[in-house]
Amino acid sequence: TAGITQAPTSQILAAGRSMTLRCTQDMRHNAMYWYRQDLGLGLRLIHYSNTAGTTGKGEVPDGYSVSRANTDDFPLTLASAVPSQTSVYFCASSPDYDYNEQFFGPGTRLTVL
Amino acid sequence: GQNIDQPTEMTATEGAIVQINCTYQTSGFNGLFWYQQHAGEAPTFLSYNVLDGLEEKGRFSSFLSRSKGYSYLLLKELQMKDSASYLCAVEDSNYQLIWGAGTKLIIKP
Repeated sequence: TAGITQAPTSQILAAGRSMTLRCTQDMRHNAMYWYRQDLGLGLRLIHYSNTAGTTGKGEVPDGYSVSRANTDDFPLTLASAVPSQTSVYFCASSPDYDYNEQFFGPGTRLTVL
Repeated sequence: GQNIDQPTEMTATEGAIVQINCTYQTSGFNGLFWYQQHAGEAPTFLSYNVLDGLEEKGRFSSFLSRSKGYSYLLLKELQMKDSASYLCAVEDSNYQLIWGAGTKLIIKP
């Protein structure tokens, strides 16, 4: 059982370049989320999707965009990376937006130089 | 504003009991979660409280007082593998999770 996967595992990116972080789940979950985790701070929600075809902004959406063309995939795009986007990015999913548990992918460690 | 507070770090001895506290102020409340996160890994779900009181699950228990905006996670019979960060999160009125910064628990032999 794969669950939820993310790619790449880690990446070093030059400032100003674009990049897409991939997230795929095989649990047929309706809701998906992107978080970033920085030292000393809690997980912060970037964008979310309650169901395929819909997306919403979280706490820190600036500089990021998402799409949800189907149930399984929820890619996160950085159009023009900046050093402050250096972080660990976690994708998560849950059966529905009001379900009482989120399942996390293994994370992508991104460094922007 | 929304705020989740928990201690940054705690140390305990193998075989002992430790209580990790969490206080919160959020816009709405639909439940409180505890997650465990080992270094370099993803968070994993431990417990969920929506009503006041104690929820017990093996060596782990979680308590909630909604009137006080307070929860704790109790870990009994500590094992070395319990060394991890413990994240408190509150589900707000929009069903989004607001996360604390986490408590790093260090277990000593």
